[in-house]
Amino acid sequence: GNSVTQMEGPVTLSEEAFLTINCTYTATGYPSLFWYVQYPGEGLQLLLKATKADDKGSNKGFEATYRKETTSFHLEKGSVQVSDSAVYFCALTGSGNTPLVFGKGTRLSVIA
Amino acid sequence: DTAVSQTPKYLVTQMGNDKSIKCEQNLGHDTMYWYKQDSKKFLKIMFSYNNKELIINETVPNRFSPKSPDKAHLNLHINSLELGDSAVYFCASSRSGREGQYFGPGTRLLVL
Repeated sequence: GNSVTQMEGPVTLSEEAFLTINCTYTATGYPSLFWYVQYPGEGLQLLLKATKADDKGSNKGFEATYRKETTSFHLEKGSVQVSDSAVYFCALTGSGNTPLVFGKGTRLSVIA
Repeated sequence: DTAVSQTPKYLVTQMGNDKSIKCEQNLGHDTMYWYKQDSKKFLKIMFSYNNKELIINETVPNRFSPKSPDKAHLNLHINSLELGDSAVYFCASSRSGREGQYFGPGTRLLVL
């Protein structure tokens, strides 16, 4: 079945540092890939998405590129802020309205 | 103009009780979902409905019974609550899998 593996946290960075959170997937066919963010005490927000190979999703300074050859969708941001502290989830879905399959989440803490 | 709303936000109850969680979306989506997030933040699909019809039931105990009176609403009723049911329950909706799913704020259930 489909699965998502993302790097274990927690990740602690200083403000303005470069962020990478690794995500790899196993799926049949051509899944769509997503990053969701969960701020403390809140629900999940869709951060960015990519629906086909070589697509780059971007939002709020975050970006991730759908790499079919390495089955990866790594999240990057050039300069993190304290307000980026949250849990980040990589996820995929197959064709139609199939449910999301999530990675285990990576907690990011950014310190001033 | 909340897109996906859930009530209640917090629910504290005793073992053995019966409780319901309500979800409504005003996005005009056809598909709705219930996910469970455990204490380690892991998210797993429970149910999926499309146009009021149950599509997916992921081996959830039959103490959990979803009901969709119309395509904008998906409620979750839980009988005979157990300690292990303590978790955060998220409702979500989507138009198509490739657009991503939109999540409610979550219901934090604590069974004592």
